[in-house]
Amino acid sequence: GIQVEQSPPDLILQEGANSTLRCNFSDSVNNLQWFHQNPWGQLINLFYIPSGTKQNGRLSATTVATERYSLLYISSSQTTDSGVYFCAVDLYSSASKIIFGSGTRLSIRP
Amino acid sequence: ETGVTQTPRHLVMGMTNKKSLKCEQHLGHNAMYWYKQSAKKPLELMFVYNFKEQTENNSVPSRFSPECPNSSHLFLHLHTLQPEDSALYLCASSQHMNTEAFFGQGTRLTVV
Repeated sequence: GIQVEQSPPDLILQEGANSTLRCNFSDSVNNLQWFHQNPWGQLINLFYIPSGTKQNGRLSATTVATERYSLLYISSSQTTDSGVYFCAVDLYSSASKIIFGSGTRLSIRP
Repeated sequence: ETGVTQTPRHLVMGMTNKKSLKCEQHLGHNAMYWYKQSAKKPLELMFVYNFKEQTENNSVPSRFSPECPNSSHLFLHLHTLQPEDSALYLCASSQHMNTEAFFGQGTRLTVV
């Protein structure tokens, strides 16, 4: 079955809007990362967050390991926030493989 | 700049060619990874090296051959590829196995 699931798959917003991206996972987690993939393919680290809450500027993330989900919040969106957001999870059940979700494609319109 | 550098950035090769992708990290990390990203698919883990030893081969066809001569360098040797192997190939490194990973810019490979 699906081990890491992201929603929504696509999100189109106007500049200035806020958004919440979700990552559900099927088992206890050793670690979890959020990445932003820019149009050139580069994966940029956003958060390393196996549990708890972290903030970095307009972005914040929360992982609730006991309920098997993580959320990425983007406030006051800018056009440069466009791209694909991935969560990547190392699950106890995955034999130490890091599994990527299928991503959320975010498009911010000016 | 993440500290992980991949070359070349773009590669076009014929099905009978032999080429190599290179990945280099100067972060002092001990684990290195190759991932494949095909259009409209999640990133797929291909190989994992920990302290220069291969610890994971995720059922990758033998036309892909990895090499890790030291902890800072990782290669992916390619031969007799198929058009469906066209994809973005990403290298990553982490301090230890499955700790926070940092990715290179990727090599966009087209097999013609």
